[in-house]
Amino acid sequence: RKEVEQDPGPFNVPEGATVAFNCTYSNSASQSFFWYRQDCRKEPKLLMSVYSSGNEDGRFTAQLNRASQYISLLIRDSKLSDSATYLCVVNILPGRSGNTPLVFGKGTRLSVIA
Amino acid sequence: NAGVMQNPRHLVRRRGQEARLRCSPMKGHSHVYWYRQLPEEGLKFMVYLQKENIIDESGMPKERFSAEFPKEGPSILRIQQVVRGDSAAYFCASSPSRLAGGFYNEQFFGPGTRLTVL
Repeated sequence: RKEVEQDPGPFNVPEGATVAFNCTYSNSASQSFFWYRQDCRKEPKLLMSVYSSGNEDGRFTAQLNRASQYISLLIRDSKLSDSATYLCVVNILPGRSGNTPLVFGKGTRLSVIA
Repeated sequence: NAGVMQNPRHLVRRRGQEARLRCSPMKGHSHVYWYRQLPEEGLKFMVYLQKENIIDESGMPKERFSAEFPKEGPSILRIQQVVRGDSAAYFCASSPSRLAGGFYNEQFFGPGTRLTVL
């Protein structure tokens, strides 16, 4: 089983649509959760951290279910500029140094069509 | 405050040559991570360094690959005797010390070095 699994995509949606991405992680010691966005041939950029209580940032809503080891991202009112690959990312409990590497899903590609 | 810098942005090598990739973390960041992204794949962790120390190299191939983060200067990822399978995008990320108040281990990524092995 892969450490972080995401919907395979691609998702092709019209402008204004609502789209949801799902992600599951296998390591129950995972402590921090993120959604990153990666544009074609660019570096990943943090979209939002995911908190246990769920959190919202404008048109984006992230949810975390620790019991099911499941993370979701909801995008409302999709814009053309939302077209990108969305990466589900987790990391486990910090080690002695206090920081740990990130574990990435393969990503889900979103294309928003006019 | 400049972001994470990587150079070169593009690197072409022939099989058997050496590749050196450089990464300068964001100002004030003391932790550096290297990730590799093969075509159509997700990012895979390679190595995690602090100044003058390798903290975790569990993701780095045992042969031909090495990394350092000297007291002065950028972090270097070195690939000896490159093969075609090394062709990928190599991303460097940096983060502040968790003890310094880094939030949720947020990592900031550089633009990457695209290595092509002919």
